[in-house]
Amino acid sequence: GQNIDQPTEMTATEGAIVQINCTYQTSGFNGLFWYQQHAGEAPTFLSYNVLDGLEEKGRFSSFLSRSKGYSYLLLKELQMKDSASYLCAVRDSNYQLIWGAGTKLIIKP
Amino acid sequence: TAGITQAPTSQILAAGRSMTLRCTQDMRHNAMYWYRQDLGLGLRLIHYSNTAGTTGKGEVPDGYSVSRANTDDFPLTLASAVPSQTSVYFCASSDGTGGSGANVLTFGAGSRLTVL
Repeated sequence: GQNIDQPTEMTATEGAIVQINCTYQTSGFNGLFWYQQHAGEAPTFLSYNVLDGLEEKGRFSSFLSRSKGYSYLLLKELQMKDSASYLCAVRDSNYQLIWGAGTKLIIKP
Repeated sequence: TAGITQAPTSQILAAGRSMTLRCTQDMRHNAMYWYRQDLGLGLRLIHYSNTAGTTGKGEVPDGYSVSRANTDDFPLTLASAVPSQTSVYFCASSDGTGGSGANVLTFGAGSRLTVL
């Protein structure tokens, strides 16, 4: 079966750096996405990786290793507003999105 | 503000009753999707539509139906609600159906449905 694994919850300190990991086993691979979802709100797009390596976008970076079935989202200079759930999703060979359950990130002052 | 509008925001429904969740987008996106989100699970695709006039089944289609009469509207109907359909429902759209591009999803704010 297809599977996306990410930690259920993480805690970090304001101003620090946090890395959220995502491992996947899917039928084929056509890209990996990270979305941010604040409590009670809609998911919003953060990043897209289709080739191996690091994609940087301001305070957020996303890394992909297709051979290891692994990605991470790196958040720098954490702010209280970064408290949210972070969803990892992989597009499989049928171009269907397979979603992880999300990682709830708690930022403490 | 351009985007997706869902209605109602929340609803309590008696088991056995029917319900239609409305979804309208003003971005002229070709593809639209309905997902359900349950605690501890990833988003699960219920139904999708790649273009007006066509629909397809997702991962969990049973008990739900959709229609796509035009580009903008994609309603989701529960013909006879059951308690297991208690969930948060998200409508989403994208301007493509896959291919080489990112095909980013834009989500509506969600509809929280409780079936008693």
